[in-house]
Amino acid sequence: AQTVTQSQPEMSVQEAETVTLSCTYDTSESDYYLFWYKQPPSRQMILVIRQEAYKQQNATENRFSVNFQKAAKSFSLKISDSQLGDAAMYFCAYRPRDDKIIFGKGTRLHILP
Amino acid sequence: EPEVTQTPSHQVTQMGQEVILRCVPISNHLYFYWYRQILGQKVEFLVSFYNNEISEKSEIFDDQFSVERPDGSNFTLKIRSTKLEDSAMYFCASSELAGGMDTQYFGPGTRLTVL
Repeated sequence: AQTVTQSQPEMSVQEAETVTLSCTYDTSESDYYLFWYKQPPSRQMILVIRQEAYKQQNATENRFSVNFQKAAKSFSLKISDSQLGDAAMYFCAYRPRDDKIIFGKGTRLHILP
Repeated sequence: EPEVTQTPSHQVTQMGQEVILRCVPISNHLYFYWYRQILGQKVEFLVSFYNNEISEKSEIFDDQFSVERPDGSNFTLKIRSTKLEDSAMYFCASSELAGGMDTQYFGPGTRLTVL
């Protein structure tokens, strides 16, 4: 079964510091895609970053970057220079070649001023 | 920037009643999706829709659920006889293409409360 596991239900980080959110997934596929979505209190789902499994280079979007370890089936999100607006629920997600996205249970990130 | 919209933002209904949740996907998108998030739990896939038919559905999407694209802009999710356990946030999403890296853009969600 294809599953996504986020082992940290909650995390806190000081403003301006760096934080890493963990994610592992289970799949027998070789070609797939990985995403991090952010869900602020408004509950909108916002795409933060995405990674193609066939690419070895880690994706980067401004202050957000990933550490993709395909053999270990690990896909962590690093947020640098954390800002108050980063406070949200973060969902790791996996998408095989068909339609649906499979989400993890989420990590709630608190930013401490 | 174009966005997916959903109405209503909050729907309260009595158990056994029918509800219709509405979504307006991004105008040039061809693939449409519904997801559900029970409070405190993860987001779960319900159904995907393309070319006026369901392309994939999950185990959750039983005979009580149906989807429709009644015109060129709306995409609806109908729950025929709501149950208490249908209380959740329902997200609509759309994408221009299917599969792969094509981003699914999510709407703001409809909070459904079944009493």
